[in-house]
Amino acid sequence: AQSVTQPDIHITVSEGASLELRCNYSYGATPYLFWYVQSPGQGLQLLLKYFSGDTLVQGIKGFEAEFKRSQSSFNLRKPSVHWSDAAEYFCAVVDTGAGSYQLTFGKGTKLSVIP
Amino acid sequence: NAGVTQTPKFQVLKTGQSMTLQCAQDMNHNSMYWYRQDPGMGLRLIYYSASEGTTDKGEVPNGYNVSRLNKREFSLRLESAAPSQTSVYFCASKPGQGGYEQYFGPGTRLTVT
Repeated sequence: AQSVTQPDIHITVSEGASLELRCNYSYGATPYLFWYVQSPGQGLQLLLKYFSGDTLVQGIKGFEAEFKRSQSSFNLRKPSVHWSDAAEYFCAVVDTGAGSYQLTFGKGTKLSVIP
Repeated sequence: NAGVTQTPKFQVLKTGQSMTLQCAQDMNHNSMYWYRQDPGMGLRLIYYSASEGTTDKGEVPNGYNVSRLNKREFSLRLESAAPSQTSVYFCASKPGQGGYEQYFGPGTRLTVT
């Protein structure tokens, strides 16, 4: 069965600093990967997705992620964090072998931003 | 285009009471999903509907039932609520072909006392 690990439960960065959130996955075939963001009291918003091709994918709000097959990783990055980026971030993989195409989520990384 | 909508936003139930959470999408998506989110647990799939007329269990289906009323609507029912079902519930939908990403509603925060 597929799984997603987000090693960092909580990260604090200063506004303007760079950010990298880690995600490792376990999946037997070619993974289809996502990053979602959840602001307090809100639903999940899709930041970016990786299906195939270029291993560096761009998303909304200035985020990007790099797929590294050799490391089973899909880390999320942003060059300069804004206070409005404070939220919880979830990495997910879809099981394309199952009829459900269900998403398996990591447990999330909460990002705090110091002004 | 409202995307995925859920009602109610908040609900408090007593143990043993029943209720139905409503979900609707206006994106003409084939597949719909119900997840629950608990602190430190991420999101876990309760039930899903791959297409109109079909439903299947996910990872944590016990204590829940679902109905895919039509292509737009997918409801989640708690027949006899238990404190362990205190959670935030999210509905999501996915296009039929060519897309694997899911689009989420704003959630329903349920407390069972």
